[in-house]
Amino acid sequence: NAGVMQNPRHLVRRRGQEARLRCSPMKGHSHVYWYRQLPEEGLKFMVYLQKENIIDESGMPKERFSAEFPKEGPSILRIQQVVRGDSAAYFCASSPQLNTEAFFGQGTRLTVV
Amino acid sequence: ELKVEQNPLFLSMQEGKNYTIYCNYSTTSDRLYWYRQDPGKSLESLFVLLSNGAVKQEGRLMASLDTKARLSTLHITAAVHDLSATYFCAVLRISGGGADGLTFGKGTHLIIQP
Repeated sequence: NAGVMQNPRHLVRRRGQEARLRCSPMKGHSHVYWYRQLPEEGLKFMVYLQKENIIDESGMPKERFSAEFPKEGPSILRIQQVVRGDSAAYFCASSPQLNTEAFFGQGTRLTVV
Repeated sequence: ELKVEQNPLFLSMQEGKNYTIYCNYSTTSDRLYWYRQDPGKSLESLFVLLSNGAVKQEGRLMASLDTKARLSTLHITAAVHDLSATYFCAVLRISGGGADGLTFGKGTHLIIQP
């Protein structure tokens, strides 16, 4: 059973470009969480999704950021018109049910130049 | 708003010594996690603490939870170099629709010197 798979592992974008980060949850997991980690900081919750639904996006910036978890395929975190401040590691976690332990992916390290 | 505070944030210690990392949180939650993160890597789950008075041990690490004091501790016994990493505590958020997401502390950067 493969773990949570994120790709790409590293992503470099120029200011103003779009970044798409993908997360395939563990098999049988229908709950997905995205977190952002700035250098030397803890992880900050961004958004919680179930299949085809955004449950809680209270940690996600109102502009330029969006997330989806379609019926088929991976969850996508999309950042439009990236700025230098978006440079961070973005981690995805998945769990089989609400209130059960979530397992983390390897993360995508986004660098905006 | 749930806040999670860890201390110390940086810790340098010698092999063989004992030390404790503290994690305080600001609002009610009955689920607390400890994670380890090596540089450039993902998070490895160490402990899940579910109830008041819970104590779990794995090797040289022991974690405890006091929900009344809103405090968890991670105790390191006879430290070895391999335990050098960043340790995070995280508390389950309780939102209006139920629990979702975790709120993390800033992490404790632990360096163990030979």
